[in-house]
Amino acid sequence: AQSVTQLDSHVSVSEGTPVLLRCNYSSSYSPSLFWYVQHPNKGLQLLLKYTSAATLVKGINGFEAEFKKSETSFHLTKPSAHMSDAAEYFCVVSGGSSYKLIFGSGTRLLVRP
Amino acid sequence: DTAVSQTPKYLVTQMGNDKSIKCEQNLGHDTMYWYKQDSKKFLKIMFSYNNKELIINETVPNRFSPKSPDKAHLNLHINSLELGDSAVYFCASSPSGAGNTIYFGEGSWLTVV
Repeated sequence: AQSVTQLDSHVSVSEGTPVLLRCNYSSSYSPSLFWYVQHPNKGLQLLLKYTSAATLVKGINGFEAEFKKSETSFHLTKPSAHMSDAAEYFCVVSGGSSYKLIFGSGTRLLVRP
Repeated sequence: DTAVSQTPKYLVTQMGNDKSIKCEQNLGHDTMYWYKQDSKKFLKIMFSYNNKELIINETVPNRFSPKSPDKAHLNLHINSLELGDSAVYFCASSPSGAGNTIYFGEGSWLTVV
């Protein structure tokens, strides 16, 4: 069985400060892990994806995530937040023979001026 | 060039009506999906088709019926709409195979009154 837990429902940062969005996963298989972003009233956009090629994954808009198997974590980071980063972020897992994506409950990122 | 497009984007309808949401992808993918996002932003898969064949059918009321006339289209028909059907419905597509990146449409906001 697979599951994903996003540890914070809301994260608030000041513009220009680092962003950390936390995600822990559970999977019986070697997982594929994703971060998607959803801006208000918009669809889901892929930020980055881990598929075992490298543990540090770089994505779009300056985001990156590190896969840590020992901690079963896949936290999303960005060195400096921008106002346009304010959105809902979803950590997602899939694996094995399943076509299904299992979504976390989401983390809302607020960026203060 | 919209990769995954779905129509309508907004739909307000009365209880008991029947409605359809259409989806088309021009990415050449073999697999298409319908996901539902509830009022708490939680995302869950409803259906998946691979080459027009149903491969995932989650516990969804049989008032919901997907139809895939070809591998580029996956429509969602909903009979006898209920208040609880109000949600955002996302169409998505991916190449065949588990763990591949899934690309989402912009969403269809359904409100049942």
